Amino acid sequence: GNSVTQMEGPVTLSEEAFLTINCTYTATGYPSLFWYVQYPGEGLQLLLKATKADDKGSNKGFEATYRKETTSFHLEKGSVQVSDSAVYFCALSATGFQKLVFGTGTRLLVSP
Amino acid sequence: DTGVSQNPRHKITKRGQNVTFRCDPISEHNRLYWYRQTLGQGPEFLTYFQNEAQLEKSRLLSDRFSAERPKGSFSTLEIQRTEQGDSAMYLCASSSRVQETQYFGPGTRLLVL
Repeated sequence: GNSVTQMEGPVTLSEEAFLTINCTYTATGYPSLFWYVQYPGEGLQLLLKATKADDKGSNKGFEATYRKETTSFHLEKGSVQVSDSAVYFCALSATGFQKLVFGTGTRLLVSP
Repeated sequence: DTGVSQNPRHKITKRGQNVTFRCDPISEHNRLYWYRQTLGQGPEFLTYFQNEAQLEKSRLLSDRFSAERPKGSFSTLEIQRTEQGDSAMYLCASSSRVQETQYFGPGTRLLVL
């Protein structure tokens, strides 16, 4: 079946450090890929998405590129801020408008 | 566009009681999804509706769970004879006809004692 694997956290960084959170997936066909973020005490928010191979999603300085050859969608940010501290979820949708399959989430802690 | 809303935000109940949660999607979103999230895990799909039709149910959704969306607008999720293992955050999301992005509500946190 379809699945998403994320690196385990927590990921602990100092402010302005470079961030990578790894995400790989298993799916039939050509899924859409998403990163959602959950800030403390808040609901899930869409961070970025990509719907086909080689697409790059970006938002708020975060980027992720849909790599079909490596079945990956790694999240990156060049310089993290304390306010980026949250739990990040990688997810896929096997075909349009279908259910999301989530990874287990990666907690990011950024210290000043 | 006021976003997806869910009520109640928190629910504490005793084992064996029935509970019902409500989700109001973004207006004119025709698709509505329910997920369950336990501590330290990602959300798991439960069921989804397109308009009033329930199109898919997860095997996670036992016979004690039922969901409805009677007029294709708000939805309810009922859990009968609650068990301690039902304690979780129940999330609702909606999406439109033209964009597959799912927008999530704040969730209902259920604690079964």
